[in-house]
Amino acid sequence: DGGITQSPKYLFRKEGQNVTLSCEQNLNHDAMYWYRQDPGQGLRLIYYSQIVNDFQKGDIAEGYSVSREKKESFPLTVTSAQKNPTAFYLCASSTLGQGEFRTDTQYFGPGTRLTVL
Amino acid sequence: RKEVEQDPGPFNVPEGATVAFNCTYSNSASQSFFWYRQDCRKEPKLLMSVYSSGNEDGRFTAQLNRASQYISLLIRDSKLSDSATYLCVVNGGAGGTSYGKLTFGQGTILTVHP
Repeated sequence: DGGITQSPKYLFRKEGQNVTLSCEQNLNHDAMYWYRQDPGQGLRLIYYSQIVNDFQKGDIAEGYSVSREKKESFPLTVTSAQKNPTAFYLCASSTLGQGEFRTDTQYFGPGTRLTVL
Repeated sequence: RKEVEQDPGPFNVPEGATVAFNCTYSNSASQSFFWYRQDCRKEPKLLMSVYSSGNEDGRFTAQLNRASQYISLLIRDSKLSDSATYLCVVNGGAGGTSYGKLTFGQGTILTVHP
């Protein structure tokens, strides 16, 4: 089955600890994205990557880091510098699309709920 | 002004009703528009892409008005299973740092009751 997987589904972390969230896709998509969702709010973009070994900051990158060493994988590290990390984290992937505007449909993984104790 | 703005609702409607959601966006260069559905504590899933002047898929109709920077979603003959949050999603427009980025509205909550 093709798709996007995220692990773990639930994660608990003590304050001051770094934690890494996994995201893997076997859709052969070039682009991958990390979003954060807080209750009653829309998704906010943390980081995105359109090609291996390259990534860009989104709207709320502070306190987060990513890597893109393989096309299939885009792990997100929530560092101790992130002031309010408790949230629902969603990974997505897409093709780059064709033509000038290059935006294609994004497909989401099931998400990771992170709680800081 | 928010980049993508939706009426948060909630909309409570009986089965069989017709309901419409509205969405406005601020970036006039935006070219791609989507409606996603999100069930409680689940990931968003694509409901419809919205192209040119709009499109229809079964009971769902999406309309786009570029002049007014306005998107709508119409659901006819509502089912209990339509209960969810509906997210309006807009791309960042051509070129520049917004290349390929999507902006999500906060969502509109729909509850369909018997």
